[in-house]
Amino acid sequence: AQKVTQAQTEISVVEKEDVTLDCVYETRDTTYYLFWYKQPPSGELVFLIRRNSFDEQNEISGRYSWNFQKSTSSFNFTITASQVVDSAVYFCALSEPASSNTGKLIFGQGTTLQVKP
Amino acid sequence: GAVVSQHPSWVICKSGTSVKIECRSLDFQATTMFWYRQFPKQSLMLMATSNEGSKATYEQGVEKDKFLINHASLTLSTLTVTSAHPEDSSFYICSASALEGGKLFFGSGTQLSVL
Repeated sequence: AQKVTQAQTEISVVEKEDVTLDCVYETRDTTYYLFWYKQPPSGELVFLIRRNSFDEQNEISGRYSWNFQKSTSSFNFTITASQVVDSAVYFCALSEPASSNTGKLIFGQGTTLQVKP
Repeated sequence: GAVVSQHPSWVICKSGTSVKIECRSLDFQATTMFWYRQFPKQSLMLMATSNEGSKATYEQGVEKDKFLINHASLTLSTLTVTSAHPEDSSFYICSASALEGGKLFFGSGTQLSVL
C-alpha cells in the first residue's frame, strides 16, 4: 500500500533560521511522482514541486530546496533563511503510477511550520 | 499558469439541506478531477475521482448517495452534499489534472459549515 509519513507535526523556528521538513514514503510502484504543497491559513493549496521517481537530482528554487533519496524513500524539503510568510502547513504527497497520470494523491499528515519574527 | 476555480469559498447551511460545490478548470481541459475532504488540523483525504462523461469512482467509506458528483464537461465537476449534517462540516477541495505534464492544480477550497 502507498503511504506518506511526515513525522514532524509542528515545527517552530525563528526568522532567518533554516528548517527541514521530513517526508518518508512507501510504495511498491517503480514509477511515481512526489509532491510538496503549501497550505497557508487561507486554506488553498499552493503547488511547490513535483518530482518524478526516476529523477533523483536535488532541486533548488530560491530559498527552497528538495533532497530526494530513493534509497531511503525520503523527499525532504528545506527552507533556507526562513521568513514569517513561510508559516503554513506543508504537505508531502505521493501519486499513483506516473504512466496513468491520474493525479490521485496520497497526502502525508502535514507539518505545521511557524516562523517567528 | 493553469487555474482551477472552486465556488463557493464558504457556505453555511441548515441540517438537512443540500449544498452544491463547483470546480472549474479555467484554461485547460481536465478529463479527470478529484475531490478531497480535510477536517480541521488533518490531512487531505481523497473522496472520489470524477471522470468526464462517466460515473465517479468513490474511495472506500465515502457514501456515493450522499456525495453526488457530476462531471458534465471537460471543465466542470460538481460535488453535491445531500441532506447535509453537522458531521459533514469540513473543508472540501477539488483538483484537476492538466493533460500535459501531469501537473495537478487545486481549487481554493470550500469551507462547509452545517448548523
